[in-house]
Amino acid sequence: ILNVEQSPQSLHVQEGDSTNFTCSFPSSNFYALHWYRWETAKSPEALFVMTLNGDEKKKGRISATLNTKEGYSYLYIKGSQPEDSATYLCAFENRDDKIIFGKGTRLHILP
Amino acid sequence: DTAVSQTPKYLVTQMGNDKSIKCEQNLGHDTMYWYKQDSKKFLKIMFSYNNKELIINETVPNRFSPKSPDKAHLNLHINSLELGDSAVYFCASSQTRGLAGGRWIDNEQFFGPGTRLTVL
Repeated sequence: ILNVEQSPQSLHVQEGDSTNFTCSFPSSNFYALHWYRWETAKSPEALFVMTLNGDEKKKGRISATLNTKEGYSYLYIKGSQPEDSATYLCAFENRDDKIIFGKGTRLHILP
Repeated sequence: DTAVSQTPKYLVTQMGNDKSIKCEQNLGHDTMYWYKQDSKKFLKIMFSYNNKELIINETVPNRFSPKSPDKAHLNLHINSLELGDSAVYFCASSQTRGLAGGRWIDNEQFFGPGTRLTVL
């Protein structure tokens, strides 16, 4: 059974603080790992697609790392802002065209 | 100049009816997807088409039939609607996976705005 776990499920962070959360996925038959940002009442927005072990990607204050051997990815947000409040989804894609989403980490930024 | 569009945005219908949701992308992508967001807000893939051919067909009832008249469109037809079909359905598209010019294509998916289906 292919399983994608994200932790924590929910996170409250003070504005200005940095934070990170985890996505765990199967370490075999890996093709790509996707991160999405999903605001309430909107559609998911792609943040990163990562394909190589050791990949690090950055977009503004958000960055992500990838470890395909142990099956995890971290998403980091530096200096959280109110507009960062959203659900962050990861999705695991394998070489057999399977795509499985995690349940997301719901991030709340406190003013 | 919407990248991925879905119609209708809201659909309210009676049990037993047949309905369709349309999806169109103007990004020139080869692959399109349908996802269902269930009552717990989890996103699950239903179908994926690449160049009008089915490549992913998860375990969904055969009342759901995707139709891809061309690579820019992937419509979802649902027969004999049931109460449990009520959900938000998202369409998405991406470039073809794999190598192009010696490097992996970043196949990020672009999502449509979603269609909220309510079955009464």
